[in-house]
Amino acid sequence: EPEVTQTPSHQVTQMGQEVILRCVPISNHLYFYWYRQILGQKVEFLVSFYNNEISEKSEIFDDQFSVERPDGSNFTLKIRSTKLEDSAMYFCASNSPGQGAWTEAFFGQGTRLTVV
Amino acid sequence: AQSVTQLGSHVSVSEGALVLLRCNYSSSVPPYLFWYVQYPNQGLQLLLKYTTGATLVKGINGFEAEFKKSETSFHLTKPSAHMSDAAEYFCAVMNSGYSTLTFGKGTMLLVSP
Repeated sequence: EPEVTQTPSHQVTQMGQEVILRCVPISNHLYFYWYRQILGQKVEFLVSFYNNEISEKSEIFDDQFSVERPDGSNFTLKIRSTKLEDSAMYFCASNSPGQGAWTEAFFGQGTRLTVV
Repeated sequence: AQSVTQLGSHVSVSEGALVLLRCNYSSSVPPYLFWYVQYPNQGLQLLLKYTTGATLVKGINGFEAEFKKSETSFHLTKPSAHMSDAAEYFCAVMNSGYSTLTFGKGTMLLVSP
């Protein structure tokens, strides 16, 4: 069964450092997403990406965040200068429209980012 | 704007007992509703979804949910809990553009022998 894969599963970084979280979406999907879940809080939408550009983003997705699809298979989230409050589980997801309705989003296993 | 409220951050049941996890939503458009499950150290897995049509939807692992428009609810049920059902469950509604998801805070289901 096709799946979304994320690497690494856990990343520890020092405050102020740049991190790149990587995702390989399902191959025939067209829309890609990043969500995050701060410990004990709800899963929050960050950004959606379609046709090589951001289609929607939340207030959380400020200038320190960026996304890229560098090679047609990977989908990355870069945090330029990490802060303690960026510590969270980051989920990648993908989906596609099908027969007039959206398919459900398929989620990866997540990357737990710890900023120290 | 869409929102989701899940009553109870933790629900405890005995093995074999009925599972009821509550979800209420608000949506400015006809809602698409989802339940996801997260097992320890794993990603979010779709349990079931409602888009249109039959209001009682069945999902994997014996779970089902009923869309009640008048109550703006989409509660998740399972007649008989198994130990393997212990996980965190998230209710979600799709936004008005039918693209992104708004999640509830999640409910941790604890199953005791």
